[in-house]
Amino acid sequence: DVKVTQSSRYLVKRTGEKVFLECVQDMDHENMFWYRQDPGLGLRLIYFSYDVKMKEKGDIPEGYSVSREKKERFSLILESASTNQTSMYLCASFRRDRAYGYTFGSGTRLTVV
Amino acid sequence: AQKVTQAQTEISVVEKEDVTLDCVYETRDTTYYLFWYKQPPSGELVFLIRRNSFDEQNEISGRYSWNFQKSTSSFNFTITASQVVDSAVYFCALKRTGANNLFFGTGTRLTVIP
Repeated sequence: DVKVTQSSRYLVKRTGEKVFLECVQDMDHENMFWYRQDPGLGLRLIYFSYDVKMKEKGDIPEGYSVSREKKERFSLILESASTNQTSMYLCASFRRDRAYGYTFGSGTRLTVV
Repeated sequence: AQKVTQAQTEISVVEKEDVTLDCVYETRDTTYYLFWYKQPPSGELVFLIRRNSFDEQNEISGRYSWNFQKSTSSFNFTITASQVVDSAVYFCALKRTGANNLFFGTGTRLTVIP
């Protein structure tokens, strides 16, 4: 089975800190995604990557950046964390020829204080 | 523009009752894919079903069934004889043909009371 692993389940950071959220997938998927999940808003796409070193902005990229230096790893970076970035962050990967859409990680619940 | 609406924010049912989760979508595309995912308390979204826009055949998988009606842009999900393990947040999602990203609805939290 494909696994998408997010490095931290829970994270608490201070306002202004630089925060790295890591995501690794083990099945050679071309596409990787970062979503944030907030009550009443569902999942909103922050960034996605369709290949190494390639990235595309999603619906809410402000305050975030990403890095994809290797195919299996996709990092989300909060350059200067703010309290409004407190949220659940979900990573997903996708291979075009698979019928079931995305495979998700278990999520990282980030609290910025 | 794509939009997925799950009007039911929260639903509670008693165990063994049937429950239907509604999903209405908007898209200008003629071909697209629709999905349902389940998010249990563990947090990981689990794929349940994918449906192509050109395939309006309803599907049944055990206690789960899906009713796709293109005429009303709806893709509803029914759980028959609900169980406590069905308690989760359920998301409906839309993907454009040729695109890689999914548009999600806001989710419906289902609580099954023993």
